[in-house]
Amino acid sequence: QKEVEQNSGPLSVPEGAIASLNCTYSDRVSQSFFWYRQYSGKSPELIMSIYSNGDKEDGRFTAQLNKASQYVSLLIRDSQPSDSATYLCAAQPYSGGSNYKLTFGKGTLLTVNP
Amino acid sequence: GAVVSQHPSWVICKSGTSVKIECRSLDFQATTMFWYRQFPKQSLMLMATSNEGSKATYEQGVEKDKFLINHASLTLSTLTVTSAHPEDSSFYICSATSRQVIDNEQFFGPGTRLTVL
Repeated sequence: QKEVEQNSGPLSVPEGAIASLNCTYSDRVSQSFFWYRQYSGKSPELIMSIYSNGDKEDGRFTAQLNKASQYVSLLIRDSQPSDSATYLCAAQPYSGGSNYKLTFGKGTLLTVNP
Repeated sequence: GAVVSQHPSWVICKSGTSVKIECRSLDFQATTMFWYRQFPKQSLMLMATSNEGSKATYEQGVEKDKFLINHASLTLSTLTVTSAHPEDSSFYICSATSRQVIDNEQFFGPGTRLTVL
């Protein structure tokens, strides 16, 4: 059974700090990984995607992937109160087609305190 | 990113009635659409995958006769919850993508909150 595991939190960090969100997956077929942000009562919005081992940076966000350890993480630098949301990790088995399903983790609730 | 809309954004209905939710891709042709359900404090659970012009593929445990999905065009998919019951109350979210979309990103609609009395 394909599973994506996340610490449900809540994770609380002060404004300006680095928030570290972690995710593990069980299915070695997974090739593509995504981090979504979901505000309460809203639908998810894509923050980052990562497919290769290593780091990928986009502004204040850095995604890290380690396929050997089946581990994905998201770092948020200079955390802002507006970053307070639930962060969902998702895995996809293949990066070459549109019909491949995302498997979501339960999400980690992040609270950034002013 | 591409824009996906859903209608209605919320709906309240009586038990036993049917409710139709529309999902539209506004600025691209979506060959594949996905329907998710999210209960409070839970993650998104995929209900079905819908390809334009063909029957939807339902996930295990999702009743295809209760949750009717139609993907008749490249810009519209509908989910009909038939004979709705209070346990069907949830947040229903669709997403859309296509083979031309970079990184196979799924673009999510804003969601429809269904409350069954």
